[in-house]
Amino acid sequence: EIVMTQSPATLSVSPGERATLSCRASQSVSSNLAWYQQKPGQAPRLLIYGASTRATGIPARFSGSGSGTEFTLTISSLQSEDFAVYYCQQYNNWPLMYTFGQGTKLEIK
Amino acid sequence: EVQLVQSGAEVKKPGESLKISCKGSGYSFTSYWIGWVRQMPGKGLEWMGIIYPGDSDTRYSPSFQGQVTISADKSISTAYLQWSSLKASDTAMYYCVRPSYYGSGSYFDYWGQGTLVTVSS
Repeated sequence: EIVMTQSPATLSVSPGERATLSCRASQSVSSNLAWYQQKPGQAPRLLIYGASTRATGIPARFSGSGSGTEFTLTISSLQSEDFAVYYCQQYNNWPLMYTFGQGTKLEIK
Repeated sequence: EVQLVQSGAEVKKPGESLKISCKGSGYSFTSYWIGWVRQMPGKGLEWMGIIYPGDSDTRYSPSFQGQVTISADKSISTAYLQWSSLKASDTAMYYCVRPSYYGSGSYFDYWGQGTLVTVSS
């Protein structure tokens, strides 16, 4: 079973600055990696899929990179609405399995 | 517009049974898998399982196999998640999700609004 590990657990960043969130897979997941944003009281929202492709309507300040076992979500200039919890997720087609990381809470510094 | 609309919050006692629902609209319900994700209070996301309504092919996460049952009624475009005997540890928000595919990967681009299940004596 593939384990997804996100770091750090909590990241404190000032508005306008850059945030870099990491996700590591216990074995290669190629580019089968997605990122989600979840705000309190809301369902998660897809940000990035295929490791680097922005989902529809996602601002350009969000970017994803990486392949294999190491992935990064970068938010280039933090806006107030970006403070939330972020999850990475991988997919295996045999056996069929979706696995989430434990999340990174991005908080205002 | 694709929409997943879930049934309302539930408060149950340990040992009771429960079935929550998720109605899909705006797309061909029988042509896409539909799944469930659990989020316990203050915790992260856990994938529970998924069903293909077209032929009822169902897959479960090993963590949830035997603990819940996923089903679908394609005549009313609705997926279900059910428990035969609830435990306090089943207290959580449950989201239905519809996956899309990109290359050899898959991700959840549509989410229901969530159903809060509270199990307490």
